[in-house]
Amino acid sequence: GENVEQHPSTLSVQEGDSAVIKCTYSDSASNYFPWYKQELGKRPQLIIDIRSNVGEKKDQRIAVTLNKTAKHFSLHITETQPEDSAVYFCAASKNTGFQKLVFGTGTRLLVSP
Amino acid sequence: KAGVTQTPRYLIKTRGQQVTLSCSPISGHRSVSWYQQTPGQGLQFLFEYFSETQRNKGNFPGRFSGRQFSNSRSEMNVSTLELGDSALYLCASSSPTGGLRDTEAFFGQGTRLTVV
Repeated sequence: GENVEQHPSTLSVQEGDSAVIKCTYSDSASNYFPWYKQELGKRPQLIIDIRSNVGEKKDQRIAVTLNKTAKHFSLHITETQPEDSAVYFCAASKNTGFQKLVFGTGTRLLVSP
Repeated sequence: KAGVTQTPRYLIKTRGQQVTLSCSPISGHRSVSWYQQTPGQGLQFLFEYFSETQRNKGNFPGRFSGRQFSNSRSEMNVSTLELGDSALYLCASSSPTGGLRDTEAFFGQGTRLTVV
């Protein structure tokens, strides 16, 4: 069935360092890959997404890359700040006309000042 | 523009009882999906509704059900509650049309259900 694996489960970095979170999906029909940030006690919020016709997308300090052949996609955060500390979830969707996201298990990112 | 609103925010129920959770999507959004979030299982898809029709269902027992009204508001119901149903239940709304490319999901703050 559909599955998304996410690594690492926890990631600690120093302020200013880069952080990389990796996900692998199982369903080759997946073509939409969003990333959500969830701060403690708050709702998941979309931070960036990518569709399968694009290999990379950037938005200021955040970038996502997609390798369709390997079924991998990754989130890259540069110049990390303490406010980046949160749980990050990757997800995959087949975009078949209805909304169903298959989520990874999450990465807890801690950015130390 | 108001976001996705879920009520209530917190609930405590006893095993065997039933519960109804409510979700009001972003104005104009017709797709509402529900997810269960637990520390052990992460975010898992429950079901999705569009124009009052359930279009897809996740791997949850029949005790979990839902519906959508003509104004796109949605409710989910859990009957015969079990301790393992304790979780954060999130709903998300998306797309004005439910079209193939309109899949950005906006989440509500969730309802935290505790079953004792």
